[in-house]
Amino acid sequence: RKEVEQDPGPFNVPEGATVAFNCTYSNSASQSFFWYRQDCRKEPKLLMSVYSSGNEDGRFTAQLNRASQYISLLIRDSKLSDSATYLCVVFGAHAGNNRKLIWGLGTSLAVNP
Amino acid sequence: DTEVTQTPKHLVMGMTNKKSLKCEQHMGHRAMYWYKQKAKKPPELMFVYSYEKLSINESVPSRFSPECPNSSLLNLHLHALQPEDSALYLCASSQDGQGITEAFFGQGTRLTVV
Repeated sequence: RKEVEQDPGPFNVPEGATVAFNCTYSNSASQSFFWYRQDCRKEPKLLMSVYSSGNEDGRFTAQLNRASQYISLLIRDSKLSDSATYLCVVFGAHAGNNRKLIWGLGTSLAVNP
Repeated sequence: DTEVTQTPKHLVMGMTNKKSLKCEQHMGHRAMYWYKQKAKKPPELMFVYSYEKLSINESVPSRFSPECPNSSLLNLHLHALQPEDSALYLCASSQDGQGITEAFFGQGTRLTVV
């Protein structure tokens, strides 16, 4: 099982749609969780940190389920500008060395007019 | 202001050249990182500096040599690179020395080795 696993997509959705991404992690002792967004040939940008209580920022909602070891990202009312790759990142995911960030392979989202 | 500044933005170098990548942050962050990213892959960790000391080296070849002159600066010295080292090199920083908090990335240096 991969340490951090995401559905690579691509997800193709129309403008205004709601889309959800899930990410599973293997190490139950993982400590911090993040969603990053990366546009083509650009650097990753922090989208949201994911807290145990869940958090919301405008159209974006992130949730953590420790029992099932997954995090989710929900995007409501999708915009064309949401088209990007969304990367799930977990701190402490690696059982042998839990002192680093482990990155998922990313989920590609294309929002169409 | 969550800003990490990297220079240069683009670099083309020959296999016998020596060059350096530079990274600067003024957020008081205690951990700084070098990542390498190939197309359509996630960033791959190379080095972590925590409180100005090298804390993680992900078995990176010695042709890559990191340096942390002070808490705000991070360099990556390059020597005798191979064409397969061509990639986007990303610098990042995070507030705590352990990397538990969010990491913020610079715009990267797109390196081409010819």
